[in-house]
Amino acid sequence: GENVEQHPSTLSVQEGDSAVIKCTYSDSASNYFPWYKQELGKRPQLIIDIRSNVGEKKDQRIAVTLNKTAKHFSLHITETQPEDSAVYFCAASSPTDDKVIFGPGTSLSVIP
Amino acid sequence: DGGITQSPKYLFRKEGQNVTLSCEQNLNHDAMYWYRQDPGQGLRLIYYSQIVNDFQKGDIAEGYSVSREKKESFPLTVTSAQKNPTAFYLCASSIRALGEQYFGPGTRLTVT
Repeated sequence: GENVEQHPSTLSVQEGDSAVIKCTYSDSASNYFPWYKQELGKRPQLIIDIRSNVGEKKDQRIAVTLNKTAKHFSLHITETQPEDSAVYFCAASSPTDDKVIFGPGTSLSVIP
Repeated sequence: DGGITQSPKYLFRKEGQNVTLSCEQNLNHDAMYWYRQDPGQGLRLIYYSQIVNDFQKGDIAEGYSVSREKKESFPLTVTSAQKNPTAFYLCASSIRALGEQYFGPGTRLTVT
């Protein structure tokens, strides 16, 4: 079945700097890759997703890139702000079984 | 945030007892999911259902059971066979498979 790895597990950046979180997946049939943000004490919420027919997607300060050949995808946050501090989860999903498999998460701290 | 609810928020049980966690959604979503969240391990899939009266095991289904008799409801039973049931449980729903998941607020289960 699908396995998703995520690095780093913790990340601290200065306000205004960029943050990059990387994920790899194992199932070459996977074609949907969402990213969720979970603030402390709150439920996870989707921040951006990408499907396998595109290599990059951007939404204001957030971008995701996908390399299907290498089976990895990354989240880029530019001009980080304190409110970006949260745990971020990547996930991968395959039409083979419709399961969504999450990575272990990255705890991002943005230092003012 | 509205549309998918879980109850109760906190639940305490003695070892050896079965316990049922409630998940209800009024979003008219076909797909529903149960995840277990432990520190450092992300969201692990327990069971999922794409349609009423049908459900599939996730990666950690042992010791759990579910039912999907109604589109809006997907209760999870944690049985006495689950060796380490103390955890935070999240329910989610999506319009279809491989789409944005909307999460409930979660239930924190403590078994002593």
